[in-house]
Amino acid sequence: ETGVTQTPRHLVMGMTNKKSLKCEQHLGHNAMYWYKQSAKKPLELMFVYNFKEQTENNSVPSRFSPECPNSSHLFLHLHTLQPEDSALYLCASSQDRGSVYNEQFFGPGTRLTVL
Amino acid sequence: SQELEQSPQSLIVQEGKNLTINCTSSKTLYGLYWYKQKYGEGLIFLMMLQKGGEEKSHEKITAKLDEKKQQSSLHITASQPSHAGIYLCGADGTGANNLFFGTGTRLTVIP
Repeated sequence: ETGVTQTPRHLVMGMTNKKSLKCEQHLGHNAMYWYKQSAKKPLELMFVYNFKEQTENNSVPSRFSPECPNSSHLFLHLHTLQPEDSALYLCASSQDRGSVYNEQFFGPGTRLTVL
Repeated sequence: SQELEQSPQSLIVQEGKNLTINCTSSKTLYGLYWYKQKYGEGLIFLMMLQKGGEEKSHEKITAKLDEKKQQSSLHITASQPSHAGIYLCGADGTGANNLFFGTGTRLTVIP
């Protein structure tokens, strides 16, 4: 595997379910990001991890719980979601945060539908 | 809150035609990124501009950042069907690499 991978690619869940999204990067990067992309809205940054430490929580509801066990893996745990949480969830990684020419590389995303 | 305005929202061009997409911010930016996205898929990095007046090219795509670092344009020369997709500009407003994005420009290229 190369680049940034995400599983599952598609997920349908009920509002009472608990599920997790997984992201893995094979680029040797130290920063990882979760984004939410809803229809007709700009891509929204949710969480940022740098060297496994959470450095940014963009006022995300507590029903979304991130976990970063190491610099290569990032999870997004989901529980008691609402239908408006249906969206494409994108993971990204970069070398680190705040340095010059620090482009983010994105995974293919998980299409989440909450019924 | 910081915002990026992209124009046009959608664009349909005949294959072989040139086109330009614009991205404007009300504030000076630390970095401006251009990405391409196929519908429902991840973003593919195209170019990053950091210095005022900077211009970069890759194959038939050229991106420029104005001197004030508040506006960028993406120009495609002799468009091809493979250029079709959604073009997103993203910007770093604080230097911490927390990007915020425009709503995107959907490009359709008619063979």
